[in-house]
Amino acid sequence: NAGVTQTPKFRVLKTGQSMTLLCAQDMNHEYMYWYRQDPGMGLRLIHYSVGEGTTAKGEVPDGYNVSRLKKQNFLLGLESAAPSQTSVYFCASSYSWAIGGYTFGSGTRLTVV
Amino acid sequence: TQLLEQSPQFLSIQEGENLTVYCNSSSVFSSLQWYRQEPGEGPVLLVTVVTGGEVKKLKRLTFQFGDARKDSSLHITAAQPGDTGLYLCAGDYGQNFVFGPGTRLSVLP
Repeated sequence: NAGVTQTPKFRVLKTGQSMTLLCAQDMNHEYMYWYRQDPGMGLRLIHYSVGEGTTAKGEVPDGYNVSRLKKQNFLLGLESAAPSQTSVYFCASSYSWAIGGYTFGSGTRLTVV
Repeated sequence: TQLLEQSPQFLSIQEGENLTVYCNSSSVFSSLQWYRQEPGEGPVLLVTVVTGGEVKKLKRLTFQFGDARKDSSLHITAAQPGDTGLYLCAGDYGQNFVFGPGTRLSVLP
């Protein structure tokens, strides 16, 4: 049982480049989330999805786009990377909004130079 | 905007000592969760508390939810090096689910 799988684990981008972070879950969860984690800031929600074909903005959505074409996959895109997007990105999924708890992936460490 | 505070920010103790970390908010939670995160990994859920005054135990870890549902504590008895990590609380405010900045615990052998 893989849980939540994120790819890639590490990436270095040049300013202005684009990339897509991939997240896959095998628990049949309806809810999926993308967070970024920065020192002293905690986990901040970028975008989330409450089901296949739906997406919504979180606390810090600017500069990011997402898609949920299949229930098991949630993609996070950076159209034009900026140094301020250097962070560790976590994908998570859950059965419901909060009660059941979130299952997190192991993260993607992104550096934008 | 709801804000979760955690204290202390850092804690370094010797193996065998007891410790308590805290999670506080000015707003009422519908529920609260505690997670532990190890280096290079994502957070892992430890417990969810829902009822004011609720106490839950997980081996040497005791979690308490405040009567007013605005605060929570995590107490670890006889800490071990394996308890080392970042402890995060996360509060459900109904429309928002917010993570605190965490307490980084280091247990020295």
